[in-house]
Amino acid sequence: QVQLVESGGGVVQPGRSLRLSCAASGFTFNSFAMHWVRQAPGKGLEWVTVTSYDGSNNYYAESVKGRFTISRDNSKNTVFLQMNSLRTEDTAVYYCARGKVPESYLDYWGQGTLVTVSS
Amino acid sequence: QSALTQPASVSGSLGQSITISCTISSSDVAIYYLVSWYQHHPGKAPKLMIHEGTKRPSGVSHRFSASKSGNTVSLTISGLQAEDEADYYCSSYERRSTSWVFGGGTRLTVL
Repeated sequence: QVQLVESGGGVVQPGRSLRLSCAASGFTFNSFAMHWVRQAPGKGLEWVTVTSYDGSNNYYAESVKGRFTISRDNSKNTVFLQMNSLRTEDTAVYYCARGKVPESYLDYWGQGTLVTVSS
Repeated sequence: QSALTQPASVSGSLGQSITISCTISSSDVAIYYLVSWYQHHPGKAPKLMIHEGTKRPSGVSHRFSASKSGNTVSLTISGLQAEDEADYYCSSYERRSTSWVFGGGTRLTVL
C-alpha cells in the first residue's frame, strides 16, 4: 500500500535552515508528482510546493518562494524540502502528498512532521 | 489569486445529512472542475474524499458526494456517523499561478 513518511522536523531558530525528507513506498515513485503542504497551529492547510515526476518542474507558494527548495531523489524514493531563512510563521506540521501530475489532486498524504521556528 | 471560502463550522446529528459549501472566487472557469475535498482528523494524514469536482475515490463511502451550483461547490455527507467528525477542506489548482489553493476548512461536529 502507498506509504509516505516524513522526517526531519524539529525546533530551529529564526533565520536558520532545516531539511525535511519524505520517504515513499508502495508505488512507482518516479511516475508521480510530489507536494509539500503545511498546517500552522490552529490554522488550515496551506499548499507549499510541488515537483514533477522527474524534478524538472517545481512550483512554489509566494510565501516561501526564494527561501524553500523542493527536490527529489528517484533512486531513493524520497522527496526533500530545503527550508532556508526560516521565520516564526513557518512553524507548522509539514505533510508530503502525492499527485499524478502537478495540477492533479493529492491522493495520498503522510502523517506530517512538526517544524517549530522559535528563538 | 483565487479564493475558496468555507464556513468555519457545521454540525449535524447522527444519521442526518449535512452540506459543506465552498464558494469560489476566480475568473478561471476550469477551477470548478478541479475541486477536490479532503477529510482531516487532527494528528492524522489528510484523506482525499472527492476529486475532479464530483468523483469519489475507491474506498470512500457512498455517503460522501459533491455538487456544483453557480460559483459554489458543496460536499454532502449523508447518514452522519461519529467517525465523520473531522475538518474538511476544499481545494483546487489554479492554472494562472500554477499553484494549489485550499479553503479555510470546516470543522464538522457530529452531535
